[in-house]
Amino acid sequence: TQLLEQSPQFLSIQEGENLTVYCNSSSVFSSLQWYRQEPGEGPVLLVTVVTGGEVKKLKRLTFQFGDARKDSSLHITAAQPGDTGLYLCAGARNAGKSTFGDGTTLTVKP
Amino acid sequence: GAGVSQSPRYKVTKRGQDVALRCDPISGHVSLYWYRQALGQGPEFLTYFNYEAQQDKSGLPNDRFSAERPEGSISTLTIQRTEQRDSAMYRCASSLGGSLSGTQYFGPGTRLTVL
Repeated sequence: TQLLEQSPQFLSIQEGENLTVYCNSSSVFSSLQWYRQEPGEGPVLLVTVVTGGEVKKLKRLTFQFGDARKDSSLHITAAQPGDTGLYLCAGARNAGKSTFGDGTTLTVKP
Repeated sequence: GAGVSQSPRYKVTKRGQDVALRCDPISGHVSLYWYRQALGQGPEFLTYFNYEAQQDKSGLPNDRFSAERPEGSISTLTIQRTEQRDSAMYRCASSLGGSLSGTQYFGPGTRLTVL
């Protein structure tokens, strides 16, 4: 069974702080995606990483794919209240089927 | 262009009834996916289609669940003889193609409540 574990499950921080959330698995994935989901909405794709060791930056967000393609991290610099949401990672081994983690619920307080 | 739409947005039904949930993907998208999401958890894969062909239905919980996409566009997820444990948010997503890194665009979901 492909299982993606995300940590921490909940994170509450003050505006301006930095944070890192993690996505770990014992399985190798061909690609891994990070999504952000707001209450009442569907997940929205932030980034896809496909190469072991790959680092991608999206403004204040930095995504890293582990060398072995089993884990990933998302680092947010100077968090803002607008960053509040559920951050989900999803791994794909075969075309079409993605396995999602249970997410990290982030709350950024002003 | 419009995004992925789903209907109904909310469905309340009695145990034992059949329900049909509809997904209208983004026009031209080849791949269509169905997920189920419990509160506070990530989406759980159910099944997916490329065009009208069902490629993988390994995530369907049991034989009460079925899905079709007869013309390669709109899809229907049907749950027969609903049970209370079927209550969840059912989400549909579509993507341009079935590539490993293809972006999936999610719909707003159908909240199913089985009484």
